[in-house]
Amino acid sequence: AQSVSQHNHHVILSEAASLELGCNYSYGGTVNLFWYVQYPGQHLQLLLKYFSGDPLVKGIKGFEAEFIKSKFSFNLRKPSVQWSDTAEYFCAVNAGYNNNDMRFGAGTRLTVKP
Amino acid sequence: EPEVTQTPSHQVTQMGQEVILRCVPISNHLYFYWYRQILGQKVEFLVSFYNNEISEKSEIFDDQFSVERPDGSNFTLKIRSTKLEDSAMYFCASALGALNSPLHFGNGTRLTVT
Repeated sequence: AQSVSQHNHHVILSEAASLELGCNYSYGGTVNLFWYVQYPGQHLQLLLKYFSGDPLVKGIKGFEAEFIKSKFSFNLRKPSVQWSDTAEYFCAVNAGYNNNDMRFGAGTRLTVKP
Repeated sequence: EPEVTQTPSHQVTQMGQEVILRCVPISNHLYFYWYRQILGQKVEFLVSFYNNEISEKSEIFDDQFSVERPDGSNFTLKIRSTKLEDSAMYFCASALGALNSPLHFGNGTRLTVT
């Protein structure tokens, strides 16, 4: 079964700093990859997704992620964070043939200092 | 943008009591899911539901749990006899299709079992 690892439990940045959150998965087959964000007191929201095609995926709010198949990685990036990006970020993966059993990483809490 | 809605936002119950968590998925979605997140732990898959029956469930989803779609809009999770370890945030999600279709999550219901 697939699993997801997020390397950083808590990241603290100042506004305008660049962000990269690591995500690695273990699954040998075709995968769909997602990043979800959870702002304080709110629901999980889809930030971006990769199904196929261009491995560099652009999402909402200036976020992007790059799928590197050889490294089983799907790291999330943003060139310049804002205070409003303070949230919990979850990487998730499911097998490409089945939506069921989406596996989530443990999450990375991002705190952006104004 | 249509949303998945969950009620209540917070439910406190005594050990051994039955609870029903309610969800209204996005209206044209066909696949429904429950996930839970114990504080400080990963978001975990519980069950998926399609065409009025469970399509997949995890080992967490034992006989104490049941799901139902009693009418055309609601999707409920029932815990028959709650245990302390059932305390968690429960997320409902829905998806348009079974393949390559991102999940849309509700705000979650925080269940506290005392």
